[in-house]
Amino acid sequence: ETGVTQSPTHLIKTRGQQVTLRCSSQSGHNTVSWYQQALGQGPQFIFQYYREEENGRGNFPPRFSGLQFPNYSSELNVNALELDDSALYLCASSLWDRETQYFGPGTRLLVL
Amino acid sequence: SQQGEEDPQALSIQEGENATMNCSYKTSINNLQWYRQNSGRGLVHLILIRSNEREKHSGRLRVTLDTSKKSSSLLITASRAADTASYFCATVPSEGSSYKLIFGSGTRLLVRP
Repeated sequence: ETGVTQSPTHLIKTRGQQVTLRCSSQSGHNTVSWYQQALGQGPQFIFQYYREEENGRGNFPPRFSGLQFPNYSSELNVNALELDDSALYLCASSLWDRETQYFGPGTRLLVL
Repeated sequence: SQQGEEDPQALSIQEGENATMNCSYKTSINNLQWYRQNSGRGLVHLILIRSNEREKHSGRLRVTLDTSKKSSSLLITASRAADTASYFCATVPSEGSSYKLIFGSGTRLLVRP
C-alpha cells in the first residue's frame, strides 16, 4: 500500500454533468499528479500540482481542472462530461525532488 | 499521446520461466521507470533507472537501458502466478520542469501455474 487514497472508488455520471474526484497524498509528499487511463491503454498525464500551484499540464481541455490544498490533498474536477471521459482516474504523490510517484487505487468513472 | 511502446502487448508463460518485456521511447529522458498494475487498479512502482545507468537489479527484476536506441527491457526471473499483471514503462522527459510520467501502452503478463 502506498498511503495514497482516492475517493470515490466508482462513479456513474451522465453526459453533461460535472464530477469531482478526491485524492489524499502520502504523508510528507507535496506534489500531486493526476492521470487518466482509458481501458486497455497506459495512463495519460493530466496535470501536476506543487505547493497549491499547477506545475505542468498534459493535452487535456480546460474543462479538466484541479486544486491542491494546504495539506497537499487534491481534487480533480471535470465539467461537461463526455462519453470519452469514461476511464480510470489515478492520482500520484511524490516529493518534489524525487521522481518516484506513488499511485492511489484510482477512481473508475463511467459516463452514460 | 503515448511516449513509449511496450513489446510484446501480451505474454503468457509457465510459472518458473523468465519473462522479458521491452519498451521503446521517443525523446530524451531523465529517467525511466517500470510499474505494475493488477486488474486495472493503482500502479505499483517497481524500479527506476536513470539516463546515465545501463542496468539495475531489484530482487527478481533486472532492468536495462540503452539510451542510444531509446529502449529498455524488464526481465522477471523465476516468474510466479502472482506476477500476473500489466507492466508499464514510463519516462520522465529531460526537458520541462514537471516530473510528469509518460507511459507506454503496457504488456499484459499471464503466468500460468
